[in-house]
Amino acid sequence: QKEVEQDPGPLSVPEGAIVSLNCTYSNSAFQYFMWYRQYSRKGPELLMYTYSSGNKEDGRFTAQVDKSSKYISLFIRDSQPSDSATYLCAMSAGTGGFKTIFGAGTRLFVKA
Amino acid sequence: EAGVAQSPRYKIIEKRQSVAFWCNPISGHATLYWYQQILGQGPKLLIQFQNNGVVDDSQLPKDRFSAERLKGVDSTLKIQPAKLEDSAVYLCASSFGQISYNEQFFGPGTRLTVL
Repeated sequence: QKEVEQDPGPLSVPEGAIVSLNCTYSNSAFQYFMWYRQYSRKGPELLMYTYSSGNKEDGRFTAQVDKSSKYISLFIRDSQPSDSATYLCAMSAGTGGFKTIFGAGTRLFVKA
Repeated sequence: EAGVAQSPRYKIIEKRQSVAFWCNPISGHATLYWYQQILGQGPKLLIQFQNNGVVDDSQLPKDRFSAERLKGVDSTLKIQPAKLEDSAVYLCASSFGQISYNEQFFGPGTRLTVL
């Protein structure tokens, strides 16, 4: 079983839709939860990170962490064609275990 | 602020040949990472440096891969000899430190094709 599971998609939605991206994990030591966006032929760039459980909002993006269920989500409101990219979840145990484990990424296509 | 620089951007070699990748991190970033990203997968950490010391190389295939970070700045990753399964994008990233959480900044990657 992989430490981090993520549906690779692809996920295709019309412009303006609400997008939900999800990951599950098995390592209860993870404390830091990140979402990276990766455009084609580019390196990943950090979108958001959350420490422990709870929600975090940044503009059209909302990250949720449910540690009891070992489940994290990223919601994108009013999706735009420019949001078309691969979204990678990533997790780290933080202090004492700095290795970041990435999910496989979900390919998102937003159609105009 | 300049980002993480990597070269070359693309490389095609035949199996059993050797190849080297170069990375220049963001100025002032003490921690440098090399990741391997195989098509359809997320990045996998190969090696992590703190200044010029190795923090984690547990997933580096040491029989064929080597990496160094001289003077705690630039880094090179070498593969010798290359195998078909080494075809991937090699990403370099850097962060300010490694205490608690530090955002990693990624370079554009080097796309390696082994024929």
